[in-house]
Amino acid sequence: RKEVEQDPGPFNVPEGATVAFNCTYSNSASQSFFWYRQDCRKEPKLLMSVYSSGNEDGRFTAQLNRASQYISLLIRDSKLSDSATYLCVAYSNSGYALNFGKGTSLLVTP
Amino acid sequence: DGGITQSPKYLFRKEGQNVTLSCEQNLNHDAMYWYRQDPGQGLRLIYYSQIVNDFQKGDIAEGYSVSREKKESFPLTVTSAQKNPTAFYLCASREGGDTGELFFGEGSRLTVL
Repeated sequence: RKEVEQDPGPFNVPEGATVAFNCTYSNSASQSFFWYRQDCRKEPKLLMSVYSSGNEDGRFTAQLNRASQYISLLIRDSKLSDSATYLCVAYSNSGYALNFGKGTSLLVTP
Repeated sequence: DGGITQSPKYLFRKEGQNVTLSCEQNLNHDAMYWYRQDPGQGLRLIYYSQIVNDFQKGDIAEGYSVSREKKESFPLTVTSAQKNPTAFYLCASREGGDTGELFFGEGSRLTVL
């Protein structure tokens, strides 16, 4: 089983919709999780860190479910500019190497 | 401005040639990483270094080599032993310890002809 798994999508949603992505991780000892956004042919950029208590930044909400070992990202009121690939990241067993999921592709349409 | 600089951005090489990709950071980060990305594959870890003069193999280290002689620099050599070197290579860094976000360079796109 891969350390971090994501549904690759693509998720096609209309503008204004709410969309949610999940990401499962296999290392129960992972302490740190992140969501990154990657535009086509560009480097990934940090979208949000994921805290145990959950966190919200504008239209974006990240949650951590330790019991089921998954993290989620909720995007409300989707914009065309949200179209991108969303990568989830978890720390590996060593605590130093970070493992990425393959990414979930989101396309927001007019 | 602090950041990570990768060069070159685009590189074309003939099969059988070694290639070295540069990665420099002025963020004073201890840890540095090299990832490879292929279409639809996500990021796969090649090598990482937690501190100067130390580095560890990642999941796909075969055919690659690195050095970490200075804190700021973590060059990656793609050797002729790498079977499928054409890919997008991303260098990243972060502060030491087990938390902290990764900061990425803009990437180097290598095409082997």
